[in-house]
Amino acid sequence: ETGVTQTPRHLVMGMTNKKSLKCEQHLGHNAMYWYKQSAKKPLELMFVYNFKEQTENNSVPSRFSPECPNSSHLFLHLHTLQPEDSALYLCASSQGLFVRRAGGETQYFGPGTRLLVL
Amino acid sequence: DQQVKQNSPSLSVQEGRISILNCDYTNSMFDYFLWYKKYPAEGPTFLISISSIKDKNEDGRFTVFLNKSAKHLSLHIVPSQPGDSAVYFCAASAEGAQKLVFGQGTRLTINP
Repeated sequence: ETGVTQTPRHLVMGMTNKKSLKCEQHLGHNAMYWYKQSAKKPLELMFVYNFKEQTENNSVPSRFSPECPNSSHLFLHLHTLQPEDSALYLCASSQGLFVRRAGGETQYFGPGTRLLVL
Repeated sequence: DQQVKQNSPSLSVQEGRISILNCDYTNSMFDYFLWYKKYPAEGPTFLISISSIKDKNEDGRFTVFLNKSAKHLSLHIVPSQPGDSAVYFCAASAEGAQKLVFGQGTRLTINP
């Protein structure tokens, strides 16, 4: 496996369910991110982790609970979600916190998990 | 308040012609800008970037122009190819900030 992988790719859950999204990066990066993309809206940053420590929580409701056991893995635990939480959830990683290199490449994204809350 | 705006949700261009995607920003602290490209069922992939010390950066068929006074940047693709059909996101960041601020994306369709 290379790059950033996310599982599951699709998830349907009821409002009372508990589920988890998983992200794994095989790039040796130290920073990982969760984004939410709703229809016709910009990508919204949710959480940032650097060397397993959370460095940013962008006012995300507590029904979303992130976990970063090591620099290669990031989870998003979901419980009692609302239908408006239905969206594409993207994970990304970067070498450091927004490293600007000559090539300019910064965050590498996974394919996302398409979540539907009924 | 949306700090990065892509006002055109979609754009359709003939193959071989130039595609111009636009992006406006409001935060004068932004000093680094990026374009990402996203195909369906895939995550966004980095395309090209520009620092505020420049007004143009070119990489093959892709050129990004930055107009700091107008707080506007654009991505030019020439010649456009069918494989360029995707959603393009503009993103920006400020020095020392640890996050990118994204626009809502523009869906580009290249017609044969």
